[in-house]
Amino acid sequence: NAGVTQTPKFQVLKTGQSMTLQCAQDMNHEYMSWYRQDPGMGLRLIHYSVGAGITDQGEVPNGYNVSRSTTEDFPLRLLSAAPSQTSVYFCATRGTHYEQYFGPGTRLTVT
Amino acid sequence: EDQVTQSPEALRLQEGESSSLNCSYTVSGLRGLFWYRQDPGKGPEFLFTLYSAGEEKEKERLKATLTKKESFLHITAPKPEDSATYLCAVQLGVLTGGGNKLTFGTGTQLKVEL
Repeated sequence: NAGVTQTPKFQVLKTGQSMTLQCAQDMNHEYMSWYRQDPGMGLRLIHYSVGAGITDQGEVPNGYNVSRSTTEDFPLRLLSAAPSQTSVYFCATRGTHYEQYFGPGTRLTVT
Repeated sequence: EDQVTQSPEALRLQEGESSSLNCSYTVSGLRGLFWYRQDPGKGPEFLFTLYSAGEEKEKERLKATLTKKESFLHITAPKPEDSATYLCAVQLGVLTGGGNKLTFGTGTQLKVEL
């Protein structure tokens, strides 16, 4: 099993560009989430989904959109990239005891 | 405001030198406290879940304990391969509105030297 996969691993964007970070899982978990990790800030929740067709905002949702059409996929869209969105992004699923399983991350730089 | 504080920020140990990492929290209605290990350039890897004060969990050289205000991750006779950043996170119960939110600390960066 691949677990949680993310693409791309690295991305450089110019201010104002848009892009989609992909996340896929083969663990059949209903709950999926997106975090960003910045130095000194810890992991912060952006958006999450408790199942196909259901999404909600986390702690830092501004500038990001999500949708969930299947159990397996949970893409994160940056509508108009800003330098403040330079970060490492992690997708995660949640198991039956609330433990989370993280993907390998996408390192995004916005210039 | 719910807070999770980890200390120390960084820790250097000699191989075999046991120590403890601390995670203190100021939340009410704790559902669970989680420990993760994160290697450079990788996603966090789940280690333990603790649910109630007095609970302990062990895995190889690691033992996690929980009180009403803090958790400790004890590392016994560490090896260089234990070098990583250790993160703790807390989840509130559903009734206190935190069923879907995990609050992370900023981590302790551990380096174990030969």
